[in-house]
Amino acid sequence: SQQGEEDPQALSIQEGENATMNCSYKTSINNLQWYRQNSGRGLVHLILIRSNEREKHSGRLRVTLDTSKKSSSLLITASRAADTASYFCATDGGGGSNYKLTFGKGTLLTVNP
Amino acid sequence: KAGVTQTPRYLIKTRGQQVTLSCSPISGHRSVSWYQQTPGQGLQFLFEYFSETQRNKGNFPGRFSGRQFSNSRSEMNVSTLELGDSALYLCASSLGTLIDQPQHFGDGTRLSIL
Repeated sequence: SQQGEEDPQALSIQEGENATMNCSYKTSINNLQWYRQNSGRGLVHLILIRSNEREKHSGRLRVTLDTSKKSSSLLITASRAADTASYFCATDGGGGSNYKLTFGKGTLLTVNP
Repeated sequence: KAGVTQTPRYLIKTRGQQVTLSCSPISGHRSVSWYQQTPGQGLQFLFEYFSETQRNKGNFPGRFSGRQFSNSRSEMNVSTLELGDSALYLCASSLGTLIDQPQHFGDGTRLSIL
């Protein structure tokens, strides 16, 4: 079963606009990660946020985490056509022996030039 | 530093055959994980190896197996292939013993079953 669920499933915006994607999960976590996948390629790690952190930034990316609501959001500011990709959140399950990530089904972001 | 390398990139097999996929992790990475990605089920965890030991396994039948060698390279094998095994198989490597490390993915092997 999917631990993380992204919302919306698809998002289409114009270049220069901001894009916000949300992720909800079911069980406790130690950390939550966001990944990007271009069509037909592997996933690229974007940001890791730990359960005791509320916000993290990396360049044009801003991730928030609300453990009380079991949710996270990824904001991409000033989007570019090159940001067109699928975005996934992944959680570690929060257990003592965390040797796997559980991914959501992703948000397909299309940035129109 | 070279990234994660998966071979082959594309593979076509028929039902009932078996297949072996290979993954070379980033130099120095000792953890290797495998995932299956399909349009219907998304990304699903297959198994994870660290120092030649399988530490965790996902909910896949015994037809799916893997191993890791002393140089951290990993292989996964699927026997008695079924149409539903058609998917993109992704390998990821990471440093250390804990999962709270960024996973570095290869570009995958796209397996098509006829």
